[in-house]
Amino acid sequence: DAMVIQNPRYQVTQFGKPVTLSCSQTLNHNVMYWYQQKSSQAPKLLFHYYDKDFNNEADTPDNFQSRRPNTSFCFLDIRSPGLGDAAMYLCATSRDYSGANVLTFGAGSRLTVL
Amino acid sequence: QQQVKQSPQSLIVQKGGISIINCAYENTAFDYFPWYQQFPGKGPALLIAIRPDVSEKKEGRFTISFNKSAKQFSLHIMDSQPGDSATYFCAAQIQGAQKLVFGQGTRLTINP
Repeated sequence: DAMVIQNPRYQVTQFGKPVTLSCSQTLNHNVMYWYQQKSSQAPKLLFHYYDKDFNNEADTPDNFQSRRPNTSFCFLDIRSPGLGDAAMYLCATSRDYSGANVLTFGAGSRLTVL
Repeated sequence: QQQVKQSPQSLIVQKGGISIINCAYENTAFDYFPWYQQFPGKGPALLIAIRPDVSEKKEGRFTISFNKSAKQFSLHIMDSQPGDSATYFCAAQIQGAQKLVFGQGTRLTINP
């Protein structure tokens, strides 16, 4: 089945210790998104790629970086995690921007910061 | 302008009842309104969506009602079942634009 796969599902890190979360997709979609979702809140868009074009949200902290080495993979790097970065991180894809932008989400990576 | 306001935050409904979740928006440029369903530990999944040229869309037990003049839309779940217990997010988008704006979410619990 075509899908969006995130690894790891659960990540525990120490305050200030860098973390990388990965996302892979078999949908061959052009757009890949990273969302941050804190408990009982709506997903908040951090940034997205259209192919190799990177689009950062204005309020995304510099502590968050992303890489997309090819169509299938996208990574979220948190350079120095703080306690406030504990959240579920959701990767999503969409075919493109035209028409209704249907997002396909992965199951998420839950980050705990000690 | 870019916000979508969703209510209630949480909702408890008896099995077989009707669940109703409401959303309101300000930006009249929004022209695509999806609802996403999220189960615990999973990512959101598209449930149903509507464009503003129709006032209602029905898929099985799920119906979106859309009131363009009031800038409001709502999700109705008929014959609610325990398996419908999840968090529901409304969203809005300008078609062709990059960003989907999510509401705050409603945690729905269906009691057996």
